[in-house]
Amino acid sequence: DIQMTQSPSSLSASVGDRVIITCRASQSISTSLNWYQQKAGKAPSLLIYGAYNLQIGVPSRFSGSGFGTDFTLTISALQPTDFATYFCQQTYNNVLAFGGGTTVEIK
Amino acid sequence: QVQLQESGPGLVEPSGTLSLTCNVSGGSITSGSYYWSWIRQPAGKGLEWIGRIFIGGSTNYNPSLKSRITISGDTSKDQFFLKMRSVTAADTAVYYCARGRGHDAEELDSWGQGTLVTVSS
Repeated sequence: DIQMTQSPSSLSASVGDRVIITCRASQSISTSLNWYQQKAGKAPSLLIYGAYNLQIGVPSRFSGSGFGTDFTLTISALQPTDFATYFCQQTYNNVLAFGGGTTVEIK
Repeated sequence: QVQLQESGPGLVEPSGTLSLTCNVSGGSITSGSYYWSWIRQPAGKGLEWIGRIFIGGSTNYNPSLKSRITISGDTSKDQFFLKMRSVTAADTAVYYCARGRGHDAEELDSWGQGTLVTVSS
């Protein structure tokens, strides 16, 4: 099975900060990598698909990059609504898997 | 816009069977190239993918749960189902159903609100 490792597991940041979250796959997954945002008490929602494609309706301050085993989610200028937990997910094979999550907290 | 809604008992006894239904509205589960998935999340923890079904009947399951779960669908009612046998307290979680795009990035683009299932006597 492909394992997904996110780092950091949590971070503290201020409004306006640039935030970078990384996700590493245990083997190459091409661009079969998606990112989700989950706010407290809510279901996750899709942010980025295929490593770098922005889901319709998601603000352009979110961006994704990477290929193979190493991926990043970048928030260019953190907004108050962005404090949440972020998960990566690989869809390379028929056993889909999520990363452990990164919680972005207010500094 | 498609909407998904989970339903089922909120309390299941240990060693019993957990049965959940996902109702899909605003679109048919047979339209387009999609798959239908279950995901769970224990309190304060991360997301765990349970499995998925393609309309056409093929399924994929998380190997760690495969021996205990069955995912099926009813196209006439636009519903799909999760059955999990021999549950323990470790199966206590919020269970989500979601729609996935059946090609390219296969992303989960629509989610239900989730339903809490507690395993306890």
